[in-house]
Amino acid sequence: KAGVTQTPRYLIKTRGQQVTLSCSPISGHRSVSWYQQTPGQGLQFLFEYFSETQRNKGNFPGRFSGRQFSNSRSEMNVSTLELGDSALYLCASSLVQGAGNEQFFGPGTRLTVL
Amino acid sequence: AQRVTQPEKLLSVFKGAPVELKCNYSYSGSPELFWYVQYSRQRLQLLLRHISRESIKGFTADLNKGETSFHLKKPFAQEEDSAMYYCALSGPWNTDKLIFGTGTRLQVFP
Repeated sequence: KAGVTQTPRYLIKTRGQQVTLSCSPISGHRSVSWYQQTPGQGLQFLFEYFSETQRNKGNFPGRFSGRQFSNSRSEMNVSTLELGDSALYLCASSLVQGAGNEQFFGPGTRLTVL
Repeated sequence: AQRVTQPEKLLSVFKGAPVELKCNYSYSGSPELFWYVQYSRQRLQLLLRHISRESIKGFTADLNKGETSFHLKKPFAQEEDSAMYYCALSGPWNTDKLIFGTGTRLQVFP
C-alpha cells in the first residue's frame, strides 16, 4: 500500500507570496492532519480534516487555511508568506478520526521563504 | 493546558546500556499517549502507543497517571536505535490532533 505522499517536496517563495501544499493520504484513510515543524517550535498542529470538514484547528493565524476533497486528498494554503513560515510541513493520515489511532506521516514539504 | 515535556534534547549511551527517555504530560482528562520515532532520512513513524500496551523493538512505555509520565525504556540499546524520539498525546476521543514534545535525540555508540 502506498504511503502518504506530499507535493511538492521543496518550495522556495518570497515574502508576501502565497503557497499551496498538497497531501494524498493512504488509500482508504479519511482523516488528514497537518503539522508545522521548525527547529525553534518543534512539531505544531495546524489542522485536522475528516469527511471534508475541518474538525480542529491549531493556534495559527488566519493566513493558514486548508481543505479536504471528497477523495480525502487535502491541501493547505498559506497566504502573505512571512519569513517565519519557513518550515517543514508534514501531513499525516489515519483510517478514521479518533484519539489513539496510529497516524501515518508523509515525507513533508520543505518551504523556504526568502 | 495540554503540554508534553521531554527534558532531554540529547541522550548518549553505549551499545548494551539501558535507555530511558523521559516524557511528562499535562492534560485535564484521559489522554492517549504515543512515542513516535524518526530515523535518519526516514519519515516520522509510530513506535508504540499506550492503548496497545505492546513492546516494539524491545521498547516499552508505561503510563503513570500519578506522575503524569510516559517514559520510554529499553534494557539494552542497539546502534540502530539511534534516532529522534517524540512523545505525543492525543485527546479527547474524537480528534486525531497530536501534541508533541520537543523530542530527544538518542545516540547509541558502539
